[in-house]
Amino acid sequence: ETGVTQSPTHLIKTRGQQVTLRCSSQSGHNTVSWYQQALGQGPQFIFQYYREEENGRGNFPPRFSGLQFPNYSSELNVNALELDDSALYLCASSLGIGSGEKLFFGSGTQLSVL
Amino acid sequence: GQNIDQPTEMTATEGAIVQINCTYQTSGFNGLFWYQQHAGEAPTFLSYNVLDGLEEKGRFSSFLSRSKGYSYLLLKELQMKDSASYLCAVKLTGGGNKLTFGTGTQLKVEL
Repeated sequence: ETGVTQSPTHLIKTRGQQVTLRCSSQSGHNTVSWYQQALGQGPQFIFQYYREEENGRGNFPPRFSGLQFPNYSSELNVNALELDDSALYLCASSLGIGSGEKLFFGSGTQLSVL
Repeated sequence: GQNIDQPTEMTATEGAIVQINCTYQTSGFNGLFWYQQHAGEAPTFLSYNVLDGLEEKGRFSSFLSRSKGYSYLLLKELQMKDSASYLCAVKLTGGGNKLTFGTGTQLKVEL
């Protein structure tokens, strides 16, 4: 069974640039959620994709957008990067959107915005 | 708004028992999760409570009281490898499986 994988592991960008982060969900999982984790904080929910449709969004501006593909992998896109976007971006997959479903996290992409 | 509180840091001795508390005030409740996160790594699932009471799994146990908005994670026979951040996370009613996390408790296990 393949776990959740994310790429790249580290990324450095400058303010105003755009970035795309990628996530491959665990085998058999059809749901992907993205979280932002600032240093010393808990993860904050960005949005979730279920069967290629957005299924809930947290308190993040529209410059944070995403996609889910037919194989259930996903992308997170961030436009017009700001310094405060520097964080660890975590992807989590699950078997579905039921309340008891566990989330399985990837190791994250560490984004630094200079 | 949603509020989840847990201590920022704790220190304990190898072989001892430590209890990490989490209190929550949320609009709706549909389960509470504990995750462990080592520095630079993915959070890994430890436990899930949706009903009141104690769930035991090896050296780790988790307790929930819904009426008090309170949970704790109990770690027994502490090992050095238990040094990590412990994240308390709540699922809200109608929120599917979206998690609202606390800030995490950084546990340091010393000799």
